[in-house]
Amino acid sequence: GDSVTQMEGPVTLSEEAFLTINCTYTATGYPSLFWYVQYPGEGLQLLLKATKADDKGSNKGFEATYRKETTSFHLEKGSVQVSDSAVYFCALSDYNSGNEKLTFGTGTRLTIIP
Amino acid sequence: GAVVSQHPSWVICKSGTSVKIECRSLDFQATTMFWYRQFPKQSLMLMATSNEGSKATYEQGVEKDKFLINHASLTLSTLTVTSAHPEDSSFYICSASSLPPNYGYTFGSGTRLTVV
Repeated sequence: GDSVTQMEGPVTLSEEAFLTINCTYTATGYPSLFWYVQYPGEGLQLLLKATKADDKGSNKGFEATYRKETTSFHLEKGSVQVSDSAVYFCALSDYNSGNEKLTFGTGTRLTIIP
Repeated sequence: GAVVSQHPSWVICKSGTSVKIECRSLDFQATTMFWYRQFPKQSLMLMATSNEGSKATYEQGVEKDKFLINHASLTLSTLTVTSAHPEDSSFYICSASSLPPNYGYTFGSGTRLTVV
């Protein structure tokens, strides 16, 4: 079945550091890929998404590129801020194959220190 | 953008009582809604998928008689935790999917349930 493997946390960085959170996936079809962010006590917010190979999703300084050859969708940000502290989830859905469910990674807790 | 409103945001109930959680899509029609449970510092566990006007599809290991899901309209789905016990205490999150071309998932803000 479909699965998402995500870099384990927690990750602690200093403000303005470069961020990478690795995400790889396995899927039987051609999935869409997502990054979600969860702030304490809240639901999930879509950070960015990509629906086909070589697509780059970007939002709020975060970027991730759909790499079909390496089945990866790594999240990056050039200069993190304290407000980026949250839990980040990589996810996929294989809607085009008839599977509408979102498959999540385990989540990566990110803490940015001033 | 798409908004999903989930209520209540938190609830405390006594063991043996039932609690209803509502999830509404405010500006779009959600043909499919998903209910998740999240334990502290863990990922989301899908409990069930509901389509408007039909019975929910439950994931393996989820008790359908305990977690009643109703999706009576294209904008409202409810999860009722029946005869709640302390082990049902958790964070419950709903999500609604929208059809292409704006395909995606919008999440509610979650409900913290504490059973005492």
